[in-house]
Amino acid sequence: SAVISQKPSRDICQRGTSLTIQCQVDSQVTMMFWYRQQPGQSLTLIATANQGSEATYESGFVIDKFPISRPNLTFSTLTVSNMSPEDSSIYLCSVVGHAASSGEAFFGQGTRLTVV
Amino acid sequence: AQSVTQLGSHVSVSEGALVLLRCNYSSSVPPYLFWYVQYPNQGLQLLLKYTTGATLVKGINGFEAEFKKSETSFHLTKPSAHMSDAAEYFCAVSTGANSKLTFGKGITLSVRP
Repeated sequence: SAVISQKPSRDICQRGTSLTIQCQVDSQVTMMFWYRQQPGQSLTLIATANQGSEATYESGFVIDKFPISRPNLTFSTLTVSNMSPEDSSIYLCSVVGHAASSGEAFFGQGTRLTVV
Repeated sequence: AQSVTQLGSHVSVSEGALVLLRCNYSSSVPPYLFWYVQYPNQGLQLLLKYTTGATLVKGINGFEAEFKKSETSFHLTKPSAHMSDAAEYFCAVSTGANSKLTFGKGITLSVRP
């Protein structure tokens, strides 16, 4: 199994501020994804983090609100900008193409964000 | 485009009873299908997957699922529920390896003593 370290595990933030979430994988992966899980809801894909190029965003998500970086094949960050209480969610990093994978995705433990 | 339907939001069974969690999918290409489990305050853990080959797949913790193309279904079963099976279960579909996942809305499984 992949070892995915996601930091922070939780945070409480003031509205209007920004939070950067980090995702570190123990070996190179093909693709990295960022998902949002709102309270009591399923997972919704925010964007695909592409190494060496801009992220690809899903409908309803924009780069100004959720800037993403992926400087190499094992690391990515997601920033939640100008936060509002509606951004309170669990944010999950996911990877595919890991050496331990045979087609499945692996997930980090998630970042539980509360905006007050 | 792909989609996943998980009917109902909550299933409750007695310990030792059969567990059946339903999943139907829609995909324009042959799908890769997955079941993930999420325990409280944890990330997602893969239970089992179907990519190609045998349509009955076995996963961890005694779970299994059968891919039925004619019914576009991938229902999850376990013959005998255990208290430790109480969790949130998500069915997901992708178009292949290294592809993004589309999740169903999830089902909460409760197990009664």
